[in-house]
Amino acid sequence: DAGITQSPRHKVTETGTPVTLRCHQTENHRYMYWYRQDPGHGLRLIHYSYGVKDTDKGEVSDGYSVSRSKTEDFLLTLESATSSQTSVYFCAISLGGGTHNEQFFGPGTRLTVL
Amino acid sequence: QKEVEQNSGPLSVPEGAIASLNCTYSDRGSQSFFWYRQYSGKSPELIMFIYSNGDKEDGRFTAQLNKASQYVSLLIRDSQPSDSATYLCAVLFSGGYNKLIFGAGTRLAVHP
Repeated sequence: DAGITQSPRHKVTETGTPVTLRCHQTENHRYMYWYRQDPGHGLRLIHYSYGVKDTDKGEVSDGYSVSRSKTEDFLLTLESATSSQTSVYFCAISLGGGTHNEQFFGPGTRLTVL
Repeated sequence: QKEVEQNSGPLSVPEGAIASLNCTYSDRGSQSFFWYRQYSGKSPELIMFIYSNGDKEDGRFTAQLNKASQYVSLLIRDSQPSDSATYLCAVLFSGGYNKLIFGAGTRLAVHP
């Protein structure tokens, strides 16, 4: 997993509650990403980061926020979880920028919103 | 609209045969292309990347890129049951600033 851990690995929560997922990397990579994966949709980018305190939106960012106060940690927050946010969430890092953007994924977090 | 299209499958091939997986993309300016393998319940694993037109071989895997026709393919020679997985195509679109767009994946089933 390229030194990437995600926590928690599984979570069940109720609609309206806040949820924070954590991605931790051990190798000081600059670029980090949060994706969600749903049947029939493949992987969709939620937010990404290109450095400490530098983040930007992906294609499905509504209802999500992120923070990166340290190189090694990238947090994804659902301010008020909804059932449509039930999904598997993957964190990824890339070794470099530009066109050589090989990304490597963490083990994933399965989130269920009841 | 940036799109990456893959046939969802399942693509069923006998053990020892060549599996051919295809992917088309909408942005003619795209520069970088990636193939990931994902076993059920696991995270995607990068198996190939290609940046130039033509073929790139790595062991039993060959990636083929044709930018004029906007397609990229993955060939798996001597397919094994352990190759049974979902294969995701990903494209780095021009102007995308490190943002990959993934196809929905093709499920491959290799039967003994």
